[in-house]
Amino acid sequence: GAVVSQHPSWVICKSGTSVKIECRSLDFQATTMFWYRQFPKQSLMLMATSNEGSKATYEQGVEKDKFLINHASLTLSTLTVTSAHPEDSSFYICSAAGTTSTDTQYFGPGTRLTVL
Amino acid sequence: ELKVEQNPLFLSMQEGKNYTIYCNYSTTSDRLYWYRQDPGKSLESLFVLLSNGAVKQEGRLMASLDTKARLSTLHITAAVHDLSATYFCAVGNSGNTPLVFGKGTRLSVIA
Repeated sequence: GAVVSQHPSWVICKSGTSVKIECRSLDFQATTMFWYRQFPKQSLMLMATSNEGSKATYEQGVEKDKFLINHASLTLSTLTVTSAHPEDSSFYICSAAGTTSTDTQYFGPGTRLTVL
Repeated sequence: ELKVEQNPLFLSMQEGKNYTIYCNYSTTSDRLYWYRQDPGKSLESLFVLLSNGAVKQEGRLMASLDTKARLSTLHITAAVHDLSATYFCAVGNSGNTPLVFGKGTRLSVIA
């Protein structure tokens, strides 16, 4: 099956710093990538939809200036958490969909962010 | 707005017993997914159900879909400890639209 990777798998940073998370589709081209966030013992919540070559679409309540998303190629999307605070500590999971509407989504292994 | 409800949210099962997890969704959708999540891990895809009446089975798990009732079930047969995990259903349309997840069912299988 299709493989999606994320890097890093975990990161610890100080409050006020920025962290970049990469999501890559390794063996297929992904027109669309999605970023989800999962707090402990909760479900996944969609943060934003990232389309290659265009601006991301953010869900209500997600600050676009804080969570910067770039989808510069068909195999890479990045999420940058700017000026991170402890409340941003979470498990961030990306998923990638292929170039046709019949394709399914494939989830990355997730990135655990801890902000001290 | 699409909403997905799962129940129960917590399930403690004895080994060898059968049980069913239910997933209701509020609006017509093209596909329904079941995922398993182990602590600290991402999602493992279990099933994708695409049509009314679809039934898929893998080992002790069987998933079904009733699009008219907007209901999917995940049936666990003769539970074993290895099945302990959180199970999510998620609903979406085409592959390049986002998924809406249920709250998850935390399953614990005890001896």
